[in-house]
Amino acid sequence: NAGVTQTPKFQVLKTGQSMTLQCAQDMNHEYMSWYRQDPGMGLRLIHYSVGAGITDQGEVPNGYNVSRSTTEDFPLRLLSAAPSQTSVYFCASSSAGTGVAPQHFGDGTRLSIL
Amino acid sequence: QQPVQSPQAVILREGEDAVINCSSSKALYSVHWYRQKHGEAPVFLMILLKGGEQKGHDKISASFNEKKQQSSLYLTASQLSYSGTYFCGTDFIQGAQKLVFGQGTRLTINP
Repeated sequence: NAGVTQTPKFQVLKTGQSMTLQCAQDMNHEYMSWYRQDPGMGLRLIHYSVGAGITDQGEVPNGYNVSRSTTEDFPLRLLSAAPSQTSVYFCASSSAGTGVAPQHFGDGTRLSIL
Repeated sequence: QQPVQSPQAVILREGEDAVINCSSSKALYSVHWYRQKHGEAPVFLMILLKGGEQKGHDKISASFNEKKQQSSLYLTASQLSYSGTYFCGTDFIQGAQKLVFGQGTRLTINP
């Protein structure tokens, strides 16, 4: 059981570069989310999706783009990397089910912007 | 909208009990609890829905006081494996699953 898979695990970028963080889940979950976690802080929601073709902004969406063309994949794009985007990024998925379900997290991508 | 967790950190000896609180200024639909060990992903513990229910999970249980918009996580007879940072995630709308997390409570269990 793979669960939620994030790639890459580590990445170093230069300011102004763009890149895509990949997230895939094999549990057929409808809901997927991207969070960032800064040192000593909680998780902040960047973007989330309730199904293929449907996305919405979270608390800190600026500088990030998402799309959801399939149920399985939910990539996060950094348009022009800035040092303030240095963080650990977690992708999570959950089942729509009864409307309340646990979130399953990937192992995270540790991103440094120089 | 971010829930406030207290305390921010707690140090216990193995076998002692701990309570972690999560308070919201906005009406909650559900509260999720997760534990995260250093360098790892958060791991789900339990969900509580509005209605004041209490849930249990081995020696870890939680309650949801709808009147106070507060949830409390209870860890009894703590074990070394309980060490980590505990986060509450709050959901305000039924079915949204759009969680807002607290800043975390770091729990250290010493032998």
